Amino acid sequence: DIVMTQTPLSSPVTLGQPASISCTSSQSLVHSDGNTYLSWLHQRPGQPPRPLIYQISKRFSGVPDRFSGSGAGTDFTLKISRVEAEDVGIYYCMQDTLALTFGGGTKVEIK
Amino acid sequence: EVQLVESGGGLVQPGGSLRLSCTASGFTFSSYSMHWVRQAPGKGLVWVSRIRHDGGSTIYADSVMGRFTVSRDNAKNTLDLQMNSLRVEDTGIYYCVRDWYGEHLWGQGTLVTVSS
Repeated sequence: DIVMTQTPLSSPVTLGQPASISCTSSQSLVHSDGNTYLSWLHQRPGQPPRPLIYQISKRFSGVPDRFSGSGAGTDFTLKISRVEAEDVGIYYCMQDTLALTFGGGTKVEIK
Repeated sequence: EVQLVESGGGLVQPGGSLRLSCTASGFTFSSYSMHWVRQAPGKGLVWVSRIRHDGGSTIYADSVMGRFTVSRDNAKNTLDLQMNSLRVEDTGIYYCVRDWYGEHLWGQGTLVTVSS
């Protein structure tokens, strides 16, 4: 099974400042079709996860451009260029080869 | 509107059974593979099962293998999860998730509580 490891566990951020979350997979996520199925999700308390990014760097419709994804192979990063109050919550990375595997989550909170 | 709506959750005793459903609308359901994902209270996300778009292939997490069965009815746009021999550790919110080359759509979830 592919294991996804996220760091940090928690990220206190000042409003308007950047934030960065790392995700590492136990094996390459490059699929046989050439795509890399690495996604990022955001979850607020009491809400279902909301997809932000798919295939490493593609933003879902309606996702602000302050969110960006990057990486390749086994190492991936989600960046928020300027954190806003609505960005608090838990962020998960997720790989989708055949089954889904999730990182343990990173809690983003305002300092 | 494109959406997934789960139903069927509730309180059940250990060893009991429950059947969850997910109703799809606003898109061609039969074109998409579907997953079930669960989240225990205060915990992270855990994949449960996947079914191919035509129902011809299913896979399960080791923790539910032999106890849960996923199925779909493409004529009715529904995805089901039959859960038998339920355990306390099966407690959580169950989400159905649409899959298209990594582009996922999540439902709102339904709560399953396994307790005596």
